[in-house]
Amino acid sequence: DAGVTQSPTHLIKTRGQHVTLRCSPISGHKSVSWYQQVLGQGPQFIFQYYEKEERGRGNFPDRFSARQFPNYSSELNVNALLLGDSALYLCASSLGLAGGSYEQYFGPGTRLTVT
Amino acid sequence: QQQVKQSPQSLIVQKGGISIINCAYENTAFDYFPWYQQFPGKGPALLIAIRPDVSEKKEGRFTISFNKSAKQFSLHIMDSQPGDSATYFCAASHASGGSYIPTFGRGTSLIVHP
Repeated sequence: DAGVTQSPTHLIKTRGQHVTLRCSPISGHKSVSWYQQVLGQGPQFIFQYYEKEERGRGNFPDRFSARQFPNYSSELNVNALLLGDSALYLCASSLGLAGGSYEQYFGPGTRLTVT
Repeated sequence: QQQVKQSPQSLIVQKGGISIINCAYENTAFDYFPWYQQFPGKGPALLIAIRPDVSEKKEGRFTISFNKSAKQFSLHIMDSQPGDSATYFCAASHASGGSYIPTFGRGTSLIVHP
């Protein structure tokens, strides 16, 4: 079975530009979460979606937005890019939100570099 | 405010030795404590997890020890192997609004020398 897939693998953008990152969850998983991982640190939670509804939001500015589609895939959008947005963006999927269905499976991430 | 503190930042162990990574948390509402393993260029992978109703959980060479009163938990890797060389993250979470959202530690870079 395919795991969580993310595209693109790498991305270079200029300050002020907009970026869209994409994630396809494991088949059957209905929840997708997004994380930002800065070099040398642990992942920081950005958003969580379940059944196309936002179920959690981390401490990130409004420049960050996301959505989940009927097929449970998801997009993360970042506007007005700053140098500090350079990071590995991780997507994780799970069957559900809690209990035995909570376990999250991470994708390989998208490496975003802002110059 | 760093809610989950992880130490050490880096660890070098000889093959066959025991690797020990420690984490401490502040929020007493946390009730799910997973450990993740991350290799370069890959996303984190769940290694083992524990809930506070048990003090220890073992899966193969990996053991979590949990001390609820001290608000600390640790990962022990027995008979460490070069293939265990990776970055390890502890995390803690609790149900909020019906979902679990983990707070991660800063990670420990483990190198196992052959």
